[in-house]
Amino acid sequence: AQTVTQSQPEMSVQEAETVTLSCTYDTSENNYYLFWYKQPPSRQMILVIRQEAYKQQNATENRFSVNFQKAAKSFSLKISDSQLGDTAMYFCAFTGNDMRFGAGTRLTVKP
Amino acid sequence: SQTIHQWPATLVQPVGSPLSLECTVEGTSNPNLYWYRQAAGRGLQLLFYSVGIGQISSEVPQNLSASRPQDRQFILSSKKLLLSDSGFYLCAHLGEGARAEAFFGQGTRLTVV
Repeated sequence: AQTVTQSQPEMSVQEAETVTLSCTYDTSENNYYLFWYKQPPSRQMILVIRQEAYKQQNATENRFSVNFQKAAKSFSLKISDSQLGDTAMYFCAFTGNDMRFGAGTRLTVKP
Repeated sequence: SQTIHQWPATLVQPVGSPLSLECTVEGTSNPNLYWYRQAAGRGLQLLFYSVGIGQISSEVPQNLSASRPQDRQFILSSKKLLLSDSGFYLCAHLGEGARAEAFFGQGTRLTVV
């Protein structure tokens, strides 16, 4: 079975600075997607960024970018110019034959 | 467009009572459907997933069960709730276009008392 590991339960960053959230996964599949989701206190799951495994180029969405290392099965999220509204739980997710999530990283952006 | 409906939003049930949470999807056919549970401040634990009518895969042995009576309907059930069943339950499906995105229901906050 696929597994997703987020080794940082909590992180904090000063407003306007950059923070990187780590994620590793384990799978024997070759075609899959990786995601980062944000979950604010409302519990709504919000897609932050998506990466197709067959693409070597790292995905970027405005202030959010990923460092996808397929051989190492690593998928980290970098948030640049952190804003107070970025405070939330962040989940790394893998979709292959099923869809699995990491345990999450609670990010706090400090003013 | 693809939408997913989950209800109820909040539920308080006594220990030993039955449970039925329903999830329906619109705007797609033959979706892959998932039930997750999230304990407070924790990650999403995959409970069940289904790739088609009557096809259920169980990830965690427990007193919960799932059924898929129709293509776009996914039901989470229990015959007798335990205190440990309290949590936030999310239904989800994978969007079309080669798993382009996961869509989530609004979630159900279940409190077993």
